[in-house]
Amino acid sequence: SQQGEEDPQALSIQEGENATMNCSYKTSINNLQWYRQNSGRGLVHLILIRSNEREKHSGRLRVTLDTSKKSSSLLITASRAADTASYFCATGQGAAGNKLTFGGGTRVLVKP
Amino acid sequence: ETGVTQSPTHLIKTRGQQVTLRCSSQSGHNTVSWYQQALGQGPQFIFQYYREEENGRGNFPPRFSGLQFPNYSSELNVNALELDDSALYLCASSSARQGNEQYFGPGTRLTVT
Repeated sequence: SQQGEEDPQALSIQEGENATMNCSYKTSINNLQWYRQNSGRGLVHLILIRSNEREKHSGRLRVTLDTSKKSSSLLITASRAADTASYFCATGQGAAGNKLTFGGGTRVLVKP
Repeated sequence: ETGVTQSPTHLIKTRGQQVTLRCSSQSGHNTVSWYQQALGQGPQFIFQYYREEENGRGNFPPRFSGLQFPNYSSELNVNALELDDSALYLCASSSARQGNEQYFGPGTRLTVT
């Protein structure tokens, strides 16, 4: 079963617009991570936020975490056509937080 | 590109056969995790190996088994293949010294006919 649920399942935006996707989860976590996947290929790690952090930035990416609501959001600012991909949230369980439970993903299409 | 490699890239097998997939971890990583990703879904955790021992397992039957070698590379073996085993199999390596961030390989696409 998948703990994380992304919302929306699909998103279509114009280049230059911001893209926001949300993730909800059910159990307590060590960390929450966001990944990008292009066309069914390997996963690219985007950002990790620990359970005691509330917000994190990396370039055009902004991630928030609300452990009281068991939810996270990923914001991609000033989107580019190259951002077209599927985005997955994954919660890390266990003492090391390195056994990941993934959501179903959000498919993002950025139109030029 | 991560330093994690997987072989083969693609594989076609017949129902009932056995398959072995291989993963070479990134240099310095002693932990390898395997995931199954069915088409249109998120990856699901199969199991993890740490220093050649199984260190956690997801909800997969015993016909899914694995090995980790002294150089930390790993194998995933699946016996008695079923049509539903058709998926992208991903391995990821990590190390506590590097914050346990998972570095994923490109995956092996398995088709069972």
